[in-house]
Amino acid sequence: EDKVVQSPLSLVVHEGDTVTLNCSYEVTNFRSLLWYKQEKKAPTFLFMLTSSGIEKKSGRLSSILDKKELSSILNITATQTGDSAIYLCATRDNYGQNFVFGPGTRLSVLP
Amino acid sequence: KAGVTQTPRYLIKTRGQQVTLSCSPISGHRSVSWYQQTPGQGLQFLFEYFSETQRNKGNFPGRFSGRQFSNSRSEMNVSTLELGDSALYLCASSQGLAGGVETQYFGPGTRLLVL
Repeated sequence: EDKVVQSPLSLVVHEGDTVTLNCSYEVTNFRSLLWYKQEKKAPTFLFMLTSSGIEKKSGRLSSILDKKELSSILNITATQTGDSAIYLCATRDNYGQNFVFGPGTRLSVLP
Repeated sequence: KAGVTQTPRYLIKTRGQQVTLSCSPISGHRSVSWYQQTPGQGLQFLFEYFSETQRNKGNFPGRFSGRQFSNSRSEMNVSTLELGDSALYLCASSQGLAGGVETQYFGPGTRLLVL
């Protein structure tokens, strides 16, 4: 059965800290890995990764995929209170049909 | 472009009743997926509809069903509600292209409370 694991499940940091969130997967016919940020309701899309070793960057957030290690990391530098959210990692298979989500990492950024 | 919309946003039902939730995808998107999110289980895939056909299904009992209309709008139905069905139900739309290299866009969700 396909599985996505995230760590840590919960993290508390102070503003200005840098955090690294981890996602590992065991997925048949893996094609892409996605990161989402969920604050109140709907998850909002952050990144989609398909190739190993290519960093995707958006402001203070960046992410990279390691297909050899079947994992990905999401980095957030100079964290702000507005970064407090649940960060979800999901994988999609080669047929584009099957999304598997991890449990999420709950990040709390204290002022 | 308008985003994914879901109705209703909140719903309270009692055990044994049935409920129908609606999702309108982003214009041009033909795939609609439904998810159940609970604090204990996280985000779990229910099913996906593409061009009015169920294309993929998660591990949920038959009480959970859905359909998609020709305009890509989708409905999800839960019959004989149980307390454990209380959750946030999210739908997500995408173009539905093969190859797994597109993302999904989520709606705001319908929060269902079963008493």
